[in-house]
Amino acid sequence: EAQVTQNPRYLITVTGKKLTVTCSQNMNHEYMSWYRQDPGLGLRQIYYSMNVEVTDKGDVPEGYKVSRKEKRNFPLILESPSPNQTSLYFCASSLTVEMNTEAFFGQGTRLTVV
Amino acid sequence: GENVEQHPSTLSVQEGDSAVIKCTYSDSASNYFPWYKQELGKRPQLIIDIRSNVGEKKDQRIAVTLNKTAKHFSLHITETQPEDSAVYFCAAGSDKIIFGKGTRLHILP
Repeated sequence: EAQVTQNPRYLITVTGKKLTVTCSQNMNHEYMSWYRQDPGLGLRQIYYSMNVEVTDKGDVPEGYKVSRKEKRNFPLILESPSPNQTSLYFCASSLTVEMNTEAFFGQGTRLTVV
Repeated sequence: GENVEQHPSTLSVQEGDSAVIKCTYSDSASNYFPWYKQELGKRPQLIIDIRSNVGEKKDQRIAVTLNKTAKHFSLHITETQPEDSAVYFCAAGSDKIIFGKGTRLHILP
């Protein structure tokens, strides 16, 4: 089954404790991205990657890091989480940037930073 | 920077009536305009998309129109049903897709 898988689904952590949210897709998609969803603000892009070893900042990259060492994986790293990073996070992938095709979203990760 | 404005933020329509959601975008290079539906507690899923070489696209009860000159596009849902209740997001872009803030659609019985 074609899918985007995020882990964990729910996470409660303390301020300053490094964490990683994993994202994996099995569709051989080139383009992957991370979004955060907050009430009234919609989906805001954090980082995106057009291919392996190619990443770029989205609209709200501060406090986040990503890596794209393999095509299927695109982890989101919070080196020192703060309460304002409490949010619902979605990973998404699509075939290519040039083709502008449907973005497939993961199930979401609800992160709470206390 | 690039921006996508979406209106209204909340919309209530009687079951069976039509619903219209409107979006405007700022980046004239945008050539891809998808619409996503997000049901409560679920992930966003594509319901329809349109590319800049097309003015209108229809899929059963859902249609999208695009006016590139005015930089706006709209989602039309006809004969609304209870299962249409959800949050709808428009998006626009080319290599970078920007989402609107969403419209919460309530279908009233």
